[in-house]
Formats: sequence, structure tokens, C-alpha cells
Amino acid sequence: NAGVIQTPRHKVTGKGQEATLWCEPISGHSAVFWYRQTIVQGLEFLTYFRNQAPIDDSGMPKERFSAQMPNQSHSTLKIQSTQPQDSAVYLCASSLVGANTGQLYFGEGSKLTVL
Amino acid sequence: GEKVEQHESTLSVREGDSAVINCTYTDTASSYFPWYKQEAGKSLHFVIDIRSNVDRKQSQRLIVLLDKKAKRFSLHITATQPEDSAIYFCAASSNNRIFFGDGTQLVVKP
Repeated sequence: NAGVIQTPRHKVTGKGQEATLWCEPISGHSAVFWYRQTIVQGLEFLTYFRNQAPIDDSGMPKERFSAQMPNQSHSTLKIQSTQPQDSAVYLCASSLVGANTGQLYFGEGSKLTVL
Repeated sequence: GEKVEQHESTLSVREGDSAVINCTYTDTASSYFPWYKQEAGKSLHFVIDIRSNVDRKQSQRLIVLLDKKAKRFSLHITATQPEDSAIYFCAASSNNRIFFGDGTQLVVKP
């Protein structure tokens, strides 16, 4: 069991460029979560998929952020026209069932730096 | 929505002493309360959880207490060891979302 795999581990983009972050959940897990972690804001919920379907994206900044889960083995988080305030560690987590019932397994995170 | 407050931002204890981290939540519908540990430079790792149908749970040196009336829960680490040094996050689950506190930096001094 390799755990949740996130790529890239580090990404540096220029302001206005696009960034795509990848997440491979643990095989057999039906729920996938994306969080953003910064010193100032702490851990912020972004979005949640269950059986590949988007369930809750209430934490996503609407205009430039999008997330997809095209198949059960990976999810992507895309940030268009990146801004310096998007700099953060983006964490993906998966769980066997939903958030109410079991622990989340976090990946190592993707550290995004927007210059 | 749910708001989780973690009362101690930093906590320093001597090795062998107990450490207590306190959290409060706002949503009475929250029913699942996990705790996560984040060591320096690493991601979050689950340590223990408690569900609303019990008020106490213990796993080795970790004890979680839940007071539903006061909407308060706490993590007790007994006989602390240097490897317990990390940031600890409490969380509450409501509507299939997990809301995290801001974290407590625990330092265990030898």
C-alpha cells in the first residue's frame, strides 16, 4: 500500500500561469478530499469527491480553481491564472467511506509557490 | 458551518509529563472527532478519534475525552516522549466535511 500519492511535490509558477496538481488515492477508497494549508489560514477545505462524483466544492475559490476526478485512481486540482496568494501546500486525502465515518489518509502534499 | 477552535497554539512539557490539548466546536450535528499529528516537514497522520456515542476513548498513551453538552473535546498524551513533539490538529466532522482547528505545536523537552 503506497498511500496517497501526490505529484508534483514542489511546483513554482509565475503569476498568471496555470498549475495542475495530481492525486492518486489509496486503491479502494471511495472518498477524495482536497485541502490547502498555509501558515495564516491553516487547513482549509477545498473540495470532496465520493465515488468520483463531486459532492461538495464549497471551499473552492470559484473563478480560477477547478477539480476533477475522471476515474477512481486519480484526481486533479487545476489553478488558472495563479496568484501569489495561491502559494500553499495542497493536500489530498482519501478515505474508505465519507468523512463522517473514518480516518483520512493524507498525501505528502504539493507545495505551490507563485512568484 | 462548523467552526473548530483549538485553544493552545503552543504547549511545552517535560518528557514523562502529560500534555492536554483542548478544542471546542460549534455544530451540535458533528458526530465524529478525529485527531491528526503533523511532524516537521511531513503531512498529517491520523492518531486517534472519538465518536459522539461515547465520551472517552483510549489508545495506549492517548486519551480522548468528549463533552457533548459543552461541545468540547480534548486529547491527553500521557508519559510524553520526545517523538510526541509535533503539531496536533483536532477536527470535527459535519455533513461529510472535516473542519480542522488551527493546530497546537507540542514540544516535549528532555
